[in-house]
Amino acid sequence: GAGVSQSPSNKVTEKGKDVELRCDPISGHTALYWYRQRLGQGLEFLIYFQGNSAPDKSGLPSDRFSAERTGESVSTLTIQRTQQEDSAVYLCASTQRAFTGVGGYTFGSGTRLTVV
Amino acid sequence: GIQVEQSPPDLILQEGANSTLRCNFSDSVNNLQWFHQNPWGQLINLFYIPSGTKQNGRLSATTVATERYSLLYISSSQTTDSGVYFCAVCPGGSYIPTFGRGTSLIVHP
Repeated sequence: GAGVSQSPSNKVTEKGKDVELRCDPISGHTALYWYRQRLGQGLEFLIYFQGNSAPDKSGLPSDRFSAERTGESVSTLTIQRTQQEDSAVYLCASTQRAFTGVGGYTFGSGTRLTVV
Repeated sequence: GIQVEQSPPDLILQEGANSTLRCNFSDSVNNLQWFHQNPWGQLINLFYIPSGTKQNGRLSATTVATERYSLLYISSSQTTDSGVYFCAVCPGGSYIPTFGRGTSLIVHP
């Protein structure tokens, strides 16, 4: 697609429920990132995928968080047993050549998650 | 990990004014980007600038990698420039951008 697409744009869920967030990167972009942004805060790294390599999960805050990506396509971020502290905007970004550190990153519009 | 400090944290301008935003980082980097997050939350990549100077319309950026800082210049500011400006860097050997806390800019008409 022309840009990074995220769905849903908004999600309200009850505490304790599981949620699944989706990111569709730009076609041909081998690298994909998930970030979390709490209200009024900066971006917090969660997980990084590069092609078919093992993902870098070093930013995931707890074992309730997991993410998958098949090849260079869609990624899903799953949060199990959601807590109110999980409320945030979840942002996805992709880039073409992360392994060289060259070039810019394109972000999606994010999923605003509210846990009530 | 690498530290990224942005200043000032907040900035209020009248339309037409110029401004300079600063990003300091604590280690050598192989990638530095400036982003604008508009009031609706969308992050737009402004510059990829690990070193040197670039210009795009009223915006320009300079990175002095040896001294570990980057500057974003906004000239003749407009109300549409309002939002938060983030600096993001990848330290050498890393492919994961670390973001600063941002500079929140409000431009009044």
